[in-house]
Amino acid sequence: AQSVTQLDSQVPVFEEAPVELRCNYSSSVSVYLFWYVQYPNQGLQLLLKYLSGSTLVKGINGFEAEFNKSQTSFHLRKPSVHISDTAEYFCAVSEQGGGNKLTFGTGTQLKVEL
Amino acid sequence: GAVVSQHPSRVICKSGTSVKIECRSLDFQATTMFWYRQFPKQSLMLMATSNEGSKATYEQGVEKDKFLINHASLTLSTLTVTSAHPEDSSFYICSARDAGSGVGETQYFGPGTRLLVL
Repeated sequence: AQSVTQLDSQVPVFEEAPVELRCNYSSSVSVYLFWYVQYPNQGLQLLLKYLSGSTLVKGINGFEAEFNKSQTSFHLRKPSVHISDTAEYFCAVSEQGGGNKLTFGTGTQLKVEL
Repeated sequence: GAVVSQHPSRVICKSGTSVKIECRSLDFQATTMFWYRQFPKQSLMLMATSNEGSKATYEQGVEKDKFLINHASLTLSTLTVTSAHPEDSSFYICSARDAGSGVGETQYFGPGTRLLVL
């Protein structure tokens, strides 16, 4: 079984500053990795995903993430955040060939301040 | 593309009644849909995997007789919360996997349904 750890429950940051949201995973098999964003009272929107190939993945809204197999990490980064990036961010994994079942981390609340 | 809708967006019901939530993939066919439950300020917990034309697979601890899932077509899955009680109040989110576009293992999520049982 796989698990996902998001070390930071809340990350406050000033507008236009860079941000990194951390995600570590544990699995005995190869995995696919995802970052989703959730705005209040809404469902989840896919930011980016890593399936294979280049370990640096670029997503929507200027976000990117880097898959590090040796450190079992998939940290999310953005060089300059905007007020509209305030939301809950979830890291998720699914095992390759595991029927698409996603395991989510506990989420990180990103709060962008002026 | 890849839009998933849910209906209703919010529902309030009396204890003991049943509530049906619909999940539709609007522009793609989904052989597999997933139902999640999310408590306030917590992560999503997978309840069950719904496969078109077959019985749903429930996660450990989820009562299949209480949370009835039907996946009658490639674009529609329903979750019925039977004899709802206040502890069933939650945010229910569905997702669907696009079977035909070769997008890998991506799930597309609906906007969620807020259930409040009085």
